[in-house]
Amino acid sequence: GNSVTQMEGPVTLSEEAFLTINCTYTATGYPSLFWYVQYPGEGLQLLLKATKADDKGSNKGFEATYRKETTSFHLEKGSVQVSDSAVYFCALSAGSGANNLFFGTGTRLTVIP
Amino acid sequence: DAGVIQSPRHEVTEMGQEVTLRCKPISGHDYLFWYRQTMMRGLELLIYFNNNVPIDDSGMPEDRFSAKMPNASFSTLKIQPSEPRDSAVYFCASRQGTGRNQETQYFGPGTRLLVL
Repeated sequence: GNSVTQMEGPVTLSEEAFLTINCTYTATGYPSLFWYVQYPGEGLQLLLKATKADDKGSNKGFEATYRKETTSFHLEKGSVQVSDSAVYFCALSAGSGANNLFFGTGTRLTVIP
Repeated sequence: DAGVIQSPRHEVTEMGQEVTLRCKPISGHDYLFWYRQTMMRGLELLIYFNNNVPIDDSGMPEDRFSAKMPNASFSTLKIQPSEPRDSAVYFCASRQGTGRNQETQYFGPGTRLLVL
């Protein structure tokens, strides 16, 4: 079946620290992978995505590389800011013709000054 | 582009009352999804539509929940009668199609429901 497992939170970092949020997946077929971000009181927003193996998605200083060999899509940022405090969701779409997204449980990040 | 629009943003009601949540998807999007988010259960898919037709409603928790999409620009999620355990944030999302470049779902701001 299709599922996403992401690291448990919460994660607390100091400003300018390096961020990694782990995400691994199980999928039938050839999934597309996504990271969504949810800021307090708001809906989910697409942060970045990758549609095939070895693709790197990037946005706002965040990056994630689609690793088929390790079935992973870890989110990284070199220097976090207080404004990055949010909940981050890893998700997959199980390939062409698939309809819904499978979401991880979310990881809450708090960045302190 | 106005994005996905949901109303109301906040709803407080008493147990037993009917609640209707509304969603306007992005124009031209063929798919519409309803999700529920709680601390305990995280993000749950309730139902989704393709071209206004319900495709999968297996996530709808009980018969008290119903959803309709009378046209391409409007959908409702109704809870009748409401119960305190229905308190959650309800999100609507839409997606353009099923191709690789059309899989991204765009979420509305959500309706925060509190049932007393």
